[in-house]
Amino acid sequence: DAGVTQSPTHLIKTRGQHVTLRCSPISGHKSVSWYQQVLGQGPQFIFQYYEKEERGRGNFPDRFSARQFPNYSSELNVNALLLGDSALYLCASSPRTANYGYTFGSGTRLTVV
Amino acid sequence: SQQGEEDPQALSIQEGENATMNCSYKTSINNLQWYRQNSGRGLVHLILIRSNEREKHSGRLRVTLDTSKKSSSLLITASRAADTASYFCATDSTGYSTLTFGKGTMLLVSP
Repeated sequence: DAGVTQSPTHLIKTRGQHVTLRCSPISGHKSVSWYQQVLGQGPQFIFQYYEKEERGRGNFPDRFSARQFPNYSSELNVNALLLGDSALYLCASSPRTANYGYTFGSGTRLTVV
Repeated sequence: SQQGEEDPQALSIQEGENATMNCSYKTSINNLQWYRQNSGRGLVHLILIRSNEREKHSGRLRVTLDTSKKSSSLLITASRAADTASYFCATDSTGYSTLTFGKGTMLLVSP
């Protein structure tokens, strides 16, 4: 059974550009969450989706948006990239939202120059 | 913002020794989870302990939770070099698995 897959694995963008990160959850998992991890810090919550509806949003600016598709895959979009957006972006899935541990993907390393 | 704070920030031990990491948090929780991360890649879920549980075991892992002190500990017994990683505690205060992570403990296990 495939784990959580994220694409691309690495990405270099220029300030002001837009980026789309993609995530495929484990088959049967309906909950997908996105986290940002800056070097030396723990992951910070960005979004959670369950059954294609947004269930939670972290303290991130409106430049960050996401959506979940009918097949439960998800996209994270970031507009007007800043140098500070450079980070590891992690996608995680779980069967449902309550009292379940997450399975994380290997992440997308985004570098903004 | 980060709710959990792990202690120590870094821990260096020899193979076969036990490793203990602590986590403190600020608000009431639904559950607390521990994750391992190797070399800045994806996190691996280790164990989840609910707010009404006090202790949980999984293989060489033992987790305790003291909700009155808002703290948890992770004990890894008989450490191996392969346990070298960063360990994070994460709290779920909402009941919807929106996790708040600490900064982590870097564990180095030397052969």
